[in-house]
Amino acid sequence: DVKVTQSSRYLVKRTGEKVFLECVQDMDHENMFWYRQDPGLGLRLIYFSYDVKMKEKGDIPEGYSVSREKKERFSLILESASTNQTSMYLCASSFSDSSYETQYFGPGTRLLVL
Amino acid sequence: GIQVEQSPPDLILQEGANSTLRCNFSDSVNNLQWFHQNPWGQLINLFYIPSGTKQNGRLSATTVATERYSLLYISSSQTTDSGVYFCAVDVGAGSYQLTFGKGTKLSVIP
Repeated sequence: DVKVTQSSRYLVKRTGEKVFLECVQDMDHENMFWYRQDPGLGLRLIYFSYDVKMKEKGDIPEGYSVSREKKERFSLILESASTNQTSMYLCASSFSDSSYETQYFGPGTRLLVL
Repeated sequence: GIQVEQSPPDLILQEGANSTLRCNFSDSVNNLQWFHQNPWGQLINLFYIPSGTKQNGRLSATTVATERYSLLYISSSQTTDSGVYFCAVDVGAGSYQLTFGKGTKLSVIP
């Protein structure tokens, strides 16, 4: 079974803190993605990566950065957390060699910024 | 970019009832998928269905690509079907990025 894990299920941080969200997948997938999910808005893509050390902006990258130093790990960084970044964060991964691939999701991290 | 609209936004069913969820998209797509998010937040892929019809147990899906819509059918609903159903599309050209609809929240009551 494909397994995508995220470092925390719940996280509480203060405004201005630097926040790291970690995602690890065990299926040797090339592609990895970070989404945020807010009520009534569905999932919105923040950043994605096709390969190690490679990153591309998604639809809402402002206020976020990412790091992919190893193939299995993709980190989302909130440089200075703000209350409007309170959200559910979902990581996903997929193979890149076919348009028939699906994305496999982690369990999500619920982040509260006070 | 491509627009994805799902309807209805909310649906309440009695256990055992059938339902149809709809996904409309604004442009040609290379890939269309249906996902289920359970009440604990885990998203699971249900179908990869850019065209045609597929069935998996009590669930089936049909995509009419020429008319830019997809339908997800749930028959004999169970309380475990509760959650949010998302439709997601990508426009191809090697992007592999999925654009998600806002989802349909389904509540199945005993």
